[in-house]
Formats: sequence, structure tokens, C-alpha cells
Amino acid sequence: NAGVTQTPKFQVLKTGQSMTLQCAQDMNHEYMSWYRQDPGMGLRLIHYSVGAGITDQGEVPNGYNVSRSTTEDFPLRLLSAAPSQTSVYFCASSRLGGSYEQYFGPGTRLTVT
Amino acid sequence: AQKVTQAQTEISVVEKEDVTLDCVYETRDTTYYLFWYKQPPSGELVFLIRRNSFDEQNEISGRYSWNFQKSTSSFNFTITASQVVDSAVYFCALSEEETSGSRLTFGEGTQLTVNP
Repeated sequence: NAGVTQTPKFQVLKTGQSMTLQCAQDMNHEYMSWYRQDPGMGLRLIHYSVGAGITDQGEVPNGYNVSRSTTEDFPLRLLSAAPSQTSVYFCASSRLGGSYEQYFGPGTRLTVT
Repeated sequence: AQKVTQAQTEISVVEKEDVTLDCVYETRDTTYYLFWYKQPPSGELVFLIRRNSFDEQNEISGRYSWNFQKSTSSFNFTITASQVVDSAVYFCALSEEETSGSRLTFGEGTQLTVNP
């Protein structure tokens, strides 16, 4: 099993550009989510999904879109990148329910200039 | 709303010292789960432990131990005889079965540096 994979690992964007961060898991997990990690702020939830076709907003959803067309994939779209979106982005997956540990991808370091 | 506080932003110790990382949480749910994750300098997030709200037994795993106290809403993590390889950022996190399901709320993290 590859677990949770994320691409790219690094990305530099100019303000106003759009891009998609890819996330895939091969564990047949129902739950997938995206977090951003900023210094001194821990990980904050951007969007999450409890199954194919179902998505919802987390704590910091503005400027990001998601979709979940398959169980395996959960891409995160930046519509018009801003310097405030410079961060490290982590995708995670787990079985559905609060008791299950989440498996994290390796992260994507995004810089917006 | 749920909240996790890790008041210690940075801790620096010398190898072989014991160190405790504090975690205080807030929740209105009666069923909830607490987690610790480790983030070494390489950047990945590594799951360490999960504890549910009905199990207040302390847990020990090698040099690691966890103290869960509902009376003080705390879930502290102690490393005994610390080693340089323990240097990492440690995150405490909370999920609530009823209110938020699988969603995790993280604390701000504690940067632990173990010096040789």
C-alpha cells in the first residue's frame, strides 16, 4: 500500500494563478481531509469529505475548492492564489468516525509570491 | 466548540532528561478521542497514541507515557530519558464523536529540541 500520496511536493505560484494539489489514498477510507500548517498555528482544517460526492467546509475554507468524485482522490484547488496561502498542505484519510487515527500524506510546500 | 491548547511553544532539554509536554482540551461531547502526533524535521506526521474519553488509564510505551485526566481536561505526554532523535514538533489533537465525527482539532504544537 502506498498510503496517502500527495503531489507536487513543492510549488511556487505567482499571485492570481490557480492550481490543484493532488491527494490519493489506497486504503479505501471514507474520510479525507485537507489541512494547512502555518508556524505557531498547528494544523487547521480546510475542507473534508465523508465519502464520494460529499464535501464540507472546515475552519479555513476561503480561497479553496474541493471535490470528491471517487473514494480514492480528493484534490484541493486554489482558485486565485494569494501570498496568505503560502503554507504547507497536508492531506489525510481515515475510516469514518472519531476514534480512528488519520493517515497523513507527506505534505506540499506552497509558496505564493 | 472544541479547542486544544499546548501552552509550551518550545522546550529545550539535554539528552537523558525527562520532559513533559502539556495538552489541555475543551469539549462539550461526552464521547471524544485524544491523539498525539509527532512531526520530525523531515516533515511527515506520525501517529503516536489515541485515547478515548472513557479510558483514563495511563499508558506507557517504552520511553513514552501519557497521563489522561478528565478532571483537569489534560492529556500530557512524557518522554523519559530523552534522546536526540526525539527532537520534533509534537501535536495534541481532539475529535468528538457526536459533534465533529472524524474532524480533528489540533493544538499549536510544541517544538522539542533534545541537545546532546
